[in-house]
Amino acid sequence: NAGVTQTPKFRVLKTGQSMTLLCAQDMNHEYMYWYRQDPGMGLRLIHYSVGEGTTAKGEVPDGYNVSRLKKQNFLLGLESAAPSQTSVYFCASSYFPQGPKNTEAFFGQGTRLTVV
Amino acid sequence: GQQVMQIPQYQHVQEGEDFTTYCNSSTTLSNIQWYKQRPGGHPVFLIQLVKSGEVKKQKRLTFQFGEAKKNSSLHITATQTTDVGTYFCAGRRTSYGKLTFGQGTILTVHP
Repeated sequence: NAGVTQTPKFRVLKTGQSMTLLCAQDMNHEYMYWYRQDPGMGLRLIHYSVGEGTTAKGEVPDGYNVSRLKKQNFLLGLESAAPSQTSVYFCASSYFPQGPKNTEAFFGQGTRLTVV
Repeated sequence: GQQVMQIPQYQHVQEGEDFTTYCNSSTTLSNIQWYKQRPGGHPVFLIQLVKSGEVKKQKRLTFQFGEAKKNSSLHITATQTTDVGTYFCAGRRTSYGKLTFGQGTILTVHP
């Protein structure tokens, strides 16, 4: 199994450009998440999805949009990139939590995005 | 909204010393998870705690969940250079809620 795959792994954007980050998981997970990681800030939740066709805002959703048209894919879009969006982006997925069952999140390898 | 605070932000230890990181939530948690991220890598799940007062051990790592289910700790006994990395706690307010991470503790181990 590939687990969680993110593409691309690296990208440099100019201010104002748009791009889409793709996350794909092959574990049939219901939940999918997009986090950004910045020095000293930990992992901050951008958007998440609890199932196909659903999305919800996290802690820092401004400037980003997401879509979950297929259960295995979760797309993160930047409509007009800004330097403040320079970060490492992680996608993760997990099973739907049911009682005390482990609901660990499996992470992709990350996308390092630089906006100049 | 739900906030998960983690301290310290950095910890430098000599190999063989112990290490502890603490996690505090502004709200009662349904469960708490711990992750480790090696330098340049992605977070990897270590453990999940669900019950009030729960203590779990993994070799030299001891995880605790507070009685009020609002705080947690990770203790490493006799650190090794392989323990280097960032340790994150992550909590859910409800069993089916979103997963909120703390800021992480960066552990450096000097040989």
